[in-house]
Amino acid sequence: DTGVSQNPRHKITKRGQNVTFRCDPISEHNRLYWYRQTLGQGPEFLTYFQNEAQLEKSRLLSDRFSAERPKGSFSTLEIQRTEQGDSAMYLCASSLLGGQVNTGELFFGEGSRLTVL
Amino acid sequence: DAKTTQPPSMDCAEGRAANLPCNHSTISGNEYVYWYRQIHSQGPQYIIHGLKNNETNEMASLIITEDRKSSTLILPHATLRDTAVYYCIVRVGHYGGATNKLIFGTGTLLAVQP
Repeated sequence: DTGVSQNPRHKITKRGQNVTFRCDPISEHNRLYWYRQTLGQGPEFLTYFQNEAQLEKSRLLSDRFSAERPKGSFSTLEIQRTEQGDSAMYLCASSLLGGQVNTGELFFGEGSRLTVL
Repeated sequence: DAKTTQPPSMDCAEGRAANLPCNHSTISGNEYVYWYRQIHSQGPQYIIHGLKNNETNEMASLIITEDRKSSTLILPHATLRDTAVYYCIVRVGHYGGATNKLIFGTGTLLAVQP
């Protein structure tokens, strides 16, 4: 178990470009969450998946944002036509629903930091 | 989910106990208290959670008042590596019908001083 892995760790892009982040959750974790965090604030919920189904999306997730988890394993978060306001840390977390030892704990990756120039 | 209130910052001397308070006066009967922390440039890390009984694990202790309107996270012997933002979160129990998402506030920045 290597934990939640996120790539790339850092991304610098110009306004208007598209970017994609990848998240590899802990194996066999059936739930996957995306959060966004700006400086001085706590993480803000964006969306979550149970297996391959996207079950909830925050109002923060504008039409320029799309997330997928095609095979119920890794997930991608794409931002189209980036804006300077998209600059933030994008965090991924996974959890296991069900099982004997199940605290509902979310395991977070180290995040992907986006800077839009 | 109920809202929580935490002081924005606290200091603690290395080796001493750190007591981090949290108010959650609107907590419902089926809501748990969760604590996470976030060390600089890392993702949040689970510490502990509880419903109404006091809880202890290898990282910390959680004391919940009898009326459940407030709680205290205790780090018994704080070290420099415990310097982090600590988040108190109230959430319904972990079950199949719930999102189980965490709603973070701004937390308490604990600075452990040498």
